[in-house]
Amino acid sequence: GAGVSQSPSNKVTEKGKDVELRCDPISGHTALYWYRQSLGQGLEFLIYFQGNSAPDKSGLPSDRFSAERTGGSVSTLTIQRTQQEDSAVYLCASSFVEDQPQHFGDGTRLSIL
Amino acid sequence: GENVEQHPSTLSVQEGDSAVIKCTYSDSASNYFPWYKQELGKGPQLIIDIRSNVGEKKDQRIAVTLNKTAKHFSLHITETQPEDSAVYFCAAKTGTASKLTFGTGTRLQVTL
Repeated sequence: GAGVSQSPSNKVTEKGKDVELRCDPISGHTALYWYRQSLGQGLEFLIYFQGNSAPDKSGLPSDRFSAERTGGSVSTLTIQRTQQEDSAVYLCASSFVEDQPQHFGDGTRLSIL
Repeated sequence: GENVEQHPSTLSVQEGDSAVIKCTYSDSASNYFPWYKQELGKGPQLIIDIRSNVGEKKDQRIAVTLNKTAKHFSLHITETQPEDSAVYFCAAKTGTASKLTFGTGTRLQVTL
């Protein structure tokens, strides 16, 4: 596609449920990043993929958060046993290679009731 | 780790005036500094970036300046227009890290 695509655009779920967020990067981009943006806040790094490997997972806030990337393309961020503090916009970005500019999707707005 | 501070948090200017947003960073190893514009309900859009081997970069009405000694960089928007109204984020990245570290954002409002 022309840009980074994320789905769903909005997700409302009950506390304790698991959620999966999807990111489809720009075609040909080998690097993929997940960030989180809480209400009125800046962006917080979660995880970085180079190809299918995740050399930097340092931003994942707890073991309830995990992510995978398959075929060097689509990535899924999974949050297990969601908590209210998980409510945020989850943004995905991709770049051609790690040292190139990062381009963002429009995010998934996650609301935990 | 890297820390990026951004000022002001809000900025209101009249159409046609200039706007300046400033950021400071803590890690002297940072070598890449992008600026993003975020409109309501949208993801951040890259508008300009600069690397540490350059002191200034311009793209039409937008310019970024970098002072490595003082560890600060600034976004300059000239001849502001209502469509420039948005939240602007600065960020920094070191050569050894994959992630961007972001400032807390500046809400720019351009009034008629």
